[in-house]
Amino acid sequence: KAGVTQTPRYLIKTRGQQVTLSCSPISGHRSVSWYQQTPGQGLQFLFEYFSETQRNKGNFPGRFSGRQFSNSRSEMNVSTLELGDSALYLCASSPWIGDNQPQHFGDGTRLSIL
Amino acid sequence: AQKVTQAQTEISVVEKEDVTLDCVYETRDTTYYLFWYKQPPSGELVFLIRRNSFDEQNEISGRYSWNFQKSTSSFNFTITASQVVDSAVYFCALSEGINAGNNRKLIWGLGTSLAVNP
Repeated sequence: KAGVTQTPRYLIKTRGQQVTLSCSPISGHRSVSWYQQTPGQGLQFLFEYFSETQRNKGNFPGRFSGRQFSNSRSEMNVSTLELGDSALYLCASSPWIGDNQPQHFGDGTRLSIL
Repeated sequence: AQKVTQAQTEISVVEKEDVTLDCVYETRDTTYYLFWYKQPPSGELVFLIRRNSFDEQNEISGRYSWNFQKSTSSFNFTITASQVVDSAVYFCALSEGINAGNNRKLIWGLGTSLAVNP
């Protein structure tokens, strides 16, 4: 069974640009969550999607947005990039949303802002 | 407020030593889940264990064991006879609430970087 796939693996952008990251969950998984990981702040929850609807949201500004498609694939968008957005962005999937299930993580997209 | 503290930033041991990674959490909920994840150098987070707040039984899985103590709000992780392949960053995380649609906001510790040297 293929794992969670995130593309691209690495990305370099400049301040002010926008970026879209993609996540394909494990086949059959319908819940997708996004996290930001930085050395200083550690792992921080961005948002979770289930059945194409955002079900939970962390404390990030509106520049961070996402969506989920009918095939459960998800995209995350960050607009007006700032230097502080440099991070590893991790996507995680689970079969459904209830019951605090363990999540399966992808390898992440490492975003660098110049 | 919810919080997870992993006081040990880095630990270095020699192969075959036992090592315990500490995790202390804060929550006002009576229902919550605790997790441990491993992040090897490749970057992918790997789920190790989930424990709910009503189950204080310790758990052993091979060389791994977990000690959950509600009285001290701790969920410590011990690796027995450590191996080089155990080298990774280990994260403890807390999830509150068990209702559908309200279970995913994991609060993470900052991780403990474990180096097991040959």
